[in-house]
Amino acid sequence: DQQVKQNSPSLSVQEGRISILNCDYTNSMFDYFLWYKKYPAEGPTFLISISSIKDKNEDGRFTVFLNKSAKHLSLHIVPSQPGDSAVYFCAARGTGANSKLTFGKGITLSVRP
Amino acid sequence: NAGVMQNPRHLVRRRGQEARLRCSPVKGHSHVYWYRQLPEEGLKFMVYLQKENIIDESGMPKERFSAEFPKEGPSILRIQQVVRGDSAAYFCASSPREGGNTIYFGEGSWLTVV
Repeated sequence: DQQVKQNSPSLSVQEGRISILNCDYTNSMFDYFLWYKKYPAEGPTFLISISSIKDKNEDGRFTVFLNKSAKHLSLHIVPSQPGDSAVYFCAARGTGANSKLTFGKGITLSVRP
Repeated sequence: NAGVMQNPRHLVRRRGQEARLRCSPVKGHSHVYWYRQLPEEGLKFMVYLQKENIIDESGMPKERFSAEFPKEGPSILRIQQVVRGDSAAYFCASSPREGGNTIYFGEGSWLTVV
């Protein structure tokens, strides 16, 4: 049972344009949602997060939107840069003993110069 | 990656041998998580530990795998009698408390079973 879903395996975007990465979840008990960026042979790097009580969080070029009623979140990167090319993982966590992160399968973003 | 240290980075073991992976969390972090990434897949949760306690081991295989986080020293993920299917990247993450958004990953340990 996949509780966090990233249905598109890849996305290709022109440099300077907006990248929109989508994520859906099924568990309404999730309390926090996080996005990680990962390069091959490296560990995931934390990018941005959002609490379930908010609907938007912005940090520089990265903005995460949360639609709780639709159980959907998205990561917007604008403007996209070639260095953003990586695998992006959506993750969600609950509280207390359920604070482990549950990850989606990831989406490979390619930003074309 | 905010100071989570994992070693070894790469480990090769023959089938039947033991693998020990170590993780030193960020200084001051008392919560440790282990994840595994198989080729072409996402990260799968294995175990969540606090100092001297296993909080959630729902992702650990029932046999051959064990984890500890002693009062002193790093967290250890131990795999006994390794098989080829254990070949994967193993990532450790730490956080200062349960919940919230401050959870950081190490660079990973790549286990290859030959």
